[in-house]
Amino acid sequence: SQLAEENLWALSVHEGESVTVNCSYKTSITALQWYRQKSGEGPAQLILIRSNEREKRNGRLRATLDTSSQSSSLSITATRCEDTAVYFCATHQGGRALIFGTGTTVSVSP
Amino acid sequence: NSKVIQTPRYLVKGQGQKAKMRCIPEKGHPVVFWYQQNKNNEFKFLINFQNQEVLQQIDMTEKRFSAECPSNSPCSLEIQSSEAGDSALYLCASSLYGAGNTLYFGEGSRLIVV
Repeated sequence: SQLAEENLWALSVHEGESVTVNCSYKTSITALQWYRQKSGEGPAQLILIRSNEREKRNGRLRATLDTSSQSSSLSITATRCEDTAVYFCATHQGGRALIFGTGTTVSVSP
Repeated sequence: NSKVIQTPRYLVKGQGQKAKMRCIPEKGHPVVFWYQQNKNNEFKFLINFQNQEVLQQIDMTEKRFSAECPSNSPCSLEIQSSEAGDSALYLCASSLYGAGNTLYFGEGSRLIVV
């Protein structure tokens, strides 16, 4: 079973709008990371948020972490066409491997 | 732009053939990971190394898959006898400190087994 999963398979927005991707996980974590994977590329980390943090920002990106509900969200404001990608949350639960969710495809149209 | 270099970008193999992929981690990163990503974007962790030592690997890797990260040479992942179900994107990532920190991925090697 997935130890981390995004809640929706796909989201579509128009440029300039905001979009939020949600993620839930099933065990205690030390940190949660958000990655973006564009077509034909490998994943690239967007934000790393540790278990003692509730919010973290990186430019137009804002991640939240709620350890009580074991959930996280990634919000993108003022979306651009180049934000079109698959967004993954990934968790490290004490083992040596980072566990990825199944991804949410975000499509931004002009 | 990825600083983790993976080659080849694409490889096509017949069932039963060997498939070998290589990865040069980012300079100074001692930890290397291999993941398999299927057509549904699902990731499966295969194996990771710290320097030349295996840290963790899954059962699948122990059977038909072999991997190594020799000093002063690219890391490699080899499938001894390819099966149709091995068709996937194989991603290599490197890290300074391990899975609790940022992983830097290459662009992947896409294997198609016909």
